[in-house]
Amino acid sequence: AQSVTQPDIHITVSEGASLELRCNYSYGATPYLFWYVQSPGQGLQLLLKYFSGDTLVQGIKGFEAEFKRSQSSFNLRKPSVHWSDAAEYFCAVGPSLGDDKIIFGKGTRLHILP
Amino acid sequence: EAGVTQFPSHSVIEKGQTVTLRCDPISGHDNLYWYRRVMGKEIKFLLHFVKESKQDESGMPNNRFLAERTGGTYSTLKVQPAELEDSGVYFCASSQENREQYFGPGTRLTVT
Repeated sequence: AQSVTQPDIHITVSEGASLELRCNYSYGATPYLFWYVQSPGQGLQLLLKYFSGDTLVQGIKGFEAEFKRSQSSFNLRKPSVHWSDAAEYFCAVGPSLGDDKIIFGKGTRLHILP
Repeated sequence: EAGVTQFPSHSVIEKGQTVTLRCDPISGHDNLYWYRRVMGKEIKFLLHFVKESKQDESGMPNNRFLAERTGGTYSTLKVQPAELEDSGVYFCASSQENREQYFGPGTRLTVT
């Protein structure tokens, strides 16, 4: 069965520090992978996506993610976080041919220390 | 271009009452999806419309939930009667055929 695991429920980093949010997936074929962010009071915003090609993808707000097939991972990174990055981050997989649903991880809430 | 909009942003109702959530997709998007996030759990798929037809409703939790998309434009999701466990955030998304789904801001439903 398709699934997405985000092992960290909460992460706290200091402003200006680097960030890595972990994501592992289980999927039968080559997945479409996404990272979404939900800021307080806001909807889900797409940060970046991987469909094919270069395994290092750049997104908005200075985020990037690397697809590693051998590790079934799609970790999100940012070299220097800003206080405005405090939000909840969701890794997701899908959709695929014949199955249009997106499957989400449980989310990682990011806290930023001043 | 306007994004996906949802109404209301927040609804508080008592157990046993009825609530109707509305979603307006991006203009021209034939695909419309409903998802929900119950507190502490992951965001889960409810159903998928292609125009006015239900393509996949495998995620609908039970027959207290009724989704419609008359005319293939906006969609409504009715919960009748609401139960405590229905509390959560209900998201709507829309897409064209390129598979990228654009999400709305969500409706936070609280059943007391």
